[in-house]
Amino acid sequence: KAGVTQTPRYLIKTRGQQVTLSCSPISGHRSVSWYQQTPGQGLQFLFEYFSETQRNKGNFPGRFSGRQFSNSRSEMNVSTLELGDSALYLCASSWGDVTNEKLFFGSGTQLSVL
Amino acid sequence: AQTVTQSQPEMSVQEAETVTLSCTYDTSESDYYLFWYKQPPSRQMILVIRQEAYKQQNATENRFSVNFQKAAKSFSLKISDSQLGDAAMYFCAYRRGNAGGTSYGKLTFGQGTILTVHP
Repeated sequence: KAGVTQTPRYLIKTRGQQVTLSCSPISGHRSVSWYQQTPGQGLQFLFEYFSETQRNKGNFPGRFSGRQFSNSRSEMNVSTLELGDSALYLCASSWGDVTNEKLFFGSGTQLSVL
Repeated sequence: AQTVTQSQPEMSVQEAETVTLSCTYDTSESDYYLFWYKQPPSRQMILVIRQEAYKQQNATENRFSVNFQKAAKSFSLKISDSQLGDAAMYFCAYRRGNAGGTSYGKLTFGQGTILTVHP
């Protein structure tokens, strides 16, 4: 069974640009969560999608947005990039049943903003 | 808000020895889950072990076990018979129980502990 797939693995952008990251969950999983990982702030929750609806959201500005498609694949978008957005972005998938709390993570997309 | 604290930025252990990683958390909830995740250089977070707060018995997964002290809000990870492949960053994480929308997909992580295993 394939794991969580994130593309691209690496991305270099300049300030002011926008970027879209992709996450394909494990087959059958309907929930996708996104996390930002930086050396200074650690791992922080961005948002969670289930059946194309955002169910939960962290404390990030509106420049960070996401969506989920009918096949459960998810994309995350960051507009007007800032230097501080440089980070490893991880996505995780799960069945989406709150009683089954296991999250399965991908290997992340390393975003560098110059 | 819940917080998770890992007070050991780095730890090291000799191969085949035992090491314990510390984690404390702060919450006013009674229903929650605790996890240890491992992040090797490949960057993929891998679940090592989990503990349900309502269970008094400490969780065990092969060479990995936890010491869960609910009253003290402490959740340490013990790795026995350490192997070179155990070298990684280890994260302690917390998740609220079945509390509706605030639980979905959201883990609160500690800052991590880098574990080095010496041959």
